[in-house]
Amino acid sequence: KAGVTQTPRYLIKTRGQQVTLSCSPISGHRSVSWYQQTPGQGLQFLFEYFSETQRNKGNFPGRFSGRQFSNSRSEMNVSTLELGDSALYLCASRESQETQYFGPGTRLLVL
Amino acid sequence: DAKTTQPPSMDCAEGRAANLPCNHSTISGNEYVYWYRQIHSQGPQYIIHGLKNNETNEMASLIITEDRKSSTLILPHATLRDTAVYYCIVRGDSNYQLIWGAGTKLIIKP
Repeated sequence: KAGVTQTPRYLIKTRGQQVTLSCSPISGHRSVSWYQQTPGQGLQFLFEYFSETQRNKGNFPGRFSGRQFSNSRSEMNVSTLELGDSALYLCASRESQETQYFGPGTRLLVL
Repeated sequence: DAKTTQPPSMDCAEGRAANLPCNHSTISGNEYVYWYRQIHSQGPQYIIHGLKNNETNEMASLIITEDRKSSTLILPHATLRDTAVYYCIVRGDSNYQLIWGAGTKLIIKP
């Protein structure tokens, strides 16, 4: 099976803009989770979607949002970008109670 | 979810076994121990997980103490490509959110 894919891999935006990142899970996986990784804070959980419903949410402001489509693909959106949003954004997928598998990440740079 | 404690860094000679310790003294009965690694800021790679028994797969072995308060990940014959940050994570069986610590930076030396 193909692994988790994320697009784009690299992105440069300016403060105040908004950005949408995409994640395609492993075929058959219905859960998608998003994480943010920064040098200062490490890996932090953003949210999880299962069957198009958000199941868990981390401690991030409302500027961070996501959604999941009927084919399990997921997008996350960050509005009104801040410099501190520069990070590696990781997506992970899993089957019902199984291990999470991660994609390569999208590296976002906010200038 | 229980927290984990790992040494910040370790060295190992190429070809030798790398033994990475993890303390999870507050682990509860239904929580699994997971190990991932991350190479050069790529996406984390799943290695192995276990509940009570020792586990082995093609990548590594996981040894969990009888009281489950600590575990050791063993890479039997380390290669230079095993240089990475290794994360030990405790995960409940109802909440799949992974809580990440700082991990152990493992450096394999030739």
